[in-house]
Amino acid sequence: GNSVTQMEGPVTLSEEAFLTINCTYTATGYPSLFWYVQYPGEGLQLLLKATKADDKGSNKGFEATYRKETTSFHLEKGSVQVSDSAVYFCALSYNDMRFGAGTRLTVKP
Amino acid sequence: GAVVSQHPSWVICKSGTSVKIECRSLDFQATTMFWYRQFPKQSLMLMATSNEGSKATYEQGVEKDKFLINHASLTLSTLTVTSAHPEDSSFYICSAIAAGGAGTNYGYTFGSGTRLTVV
Repeated sequence: GNSVTQMEGPVTLSEEAFLTINCTYTATGYPSLFWYVQYPGEGLQLLLKATKADDKGSNKGFEATYRKETTSFHLEKGSVQVSDSAVYFCALSYNDMRFGAGTRLTVKP
Repeated sequence: GAVVSQHPSWVICKSGTSVKIECRSLDFQATTMFWYRQFPKQSLMLMATSNEGSKATYEQGVEKDKFLINHASLTLSTLTVTSAHPEDSSFYICSAIAAGGAGTNYGYTFGSGTRLTVV
């Protein structure tokens, strides 16, 4: 079945460091791919999405490119801030939505 | 944009009682709704998919007699945790998808979640 494998954390970075969180997927069809962010005690917020191969999703300085050849959708940000501290989930949508394990990011000043 | 309201946001109940969680699509008709469960510091696990007017489809390992799902209208789905026990304590999140995939998130809109604590 469809699934998402996500780099597990926790990840701790200093402010202004470069962030990469790896995500790969397995799917029988052509899914849409998402990154969600969850702040403590809250629900999910969509961070970015890509609906077809080679699409790049971007938002708030975060980017991810849908790579069909490597079945990947890695999340990147060039300079993280303390306010980016949260849990990040990679997700795949085909007939339903499946989530990766989540990566907890802590950014220290 | 599309909004899904989930209520209550938190609930504490005694062991053996039942708890109902509501998920409403406020400005669109949700033909399909999904219920997820999230344990502390873990990912969201899909529990079931419900289509309006039909029985829910449960994921493997989810007890359908324990977690009753009703999707009686295009704007409301409910999850009832029956005879709750402490191990049912968790964060429950619903999401809804509109007909034709309209709305945010390429069709998926999430509620803000319900934290259930069974004592």
